[in-house]
Amino acid sequence: AQSVTQLDSQVPVFEEAPVELRCNYSSSVSVYLFWYVQYPNQGLQLLLKYLSGSTLVKGINGFEAEFNKSQTSFHLRKPSVHISDTAEYFCAVSYNQGGKLIFGQGTELSVKP
Amino acid sequence: DGGITQSPKYLFRKEGQNVTLSCEQNLNHDAMYWYRQDPGQGLRLIYYSQIVNDFQKGDIAEGYSVSREKKESFPLTVTSAQKNPTAFYLCASRTGFGSPLHFGNGTRLTVT
Repeated sequence: AQSVTQLDSQVPVFEEAPVELRCNYSSSVSVYLFWYVQYPNQGLQLLLKYLSGSTLVKGINGFEAEFNKSQTSFHLRKPSVHISDTAEYFCAVSYNQGGKLIFGQGTELSVKP
Repeated sequence: DGGITQSPKYLFRKEGQNVTLSCEQNLNHDAMYWYRQDPGQGLRLIYYSQIVNDFQKGDIAEGYSVSREKKESFPLTVTSAQKNPTAFYLCASRTGFGSPLHFGNGTRLTVT
């Protein structure tokens, strides 16, 4: 079955430290990949997306992600986090152009001063 | 500004009552979706609609119903048959193939 796995449910990190949130998906010929951020009691906002082309994708708020086809991964990174980055982050995959989005279970990023 | 409006933000109901959650979008998107969010379980798809007057069941459709009479509107009814209705419900839409989802701010439903 098609699936998305976010390997860490919680990631605590100190302010100004780098962070990586991991996402793996089940293998497929063609995938479209997304990262979303959710602040408490709000909907999800798109951080970045990979549809095709360059495997390094830059998004909003200084985040970037790298598509690695051989490892079926799409890890999210930020070189220096801020307190305001504290939120839940969701990886999502669509396995064909018209397919449903399948979401990972989320990673709670907690940035401490 | 264009966006998705979900109302109300908080909703309280007694067990055994049906309740309808509103979702309206002015983005002119063809496809609309309803997700349920529970702590530690990510988002699970309830129903989706890719065109007016047509909709499909998602992964957890039992106990829910929808309608899509207008492009802008995709209301979700949580029926008394839904065994665990207390959750955060998110409505989303997108333009079409390969495009990202745009989300509303959600409705938190509590059933006691």
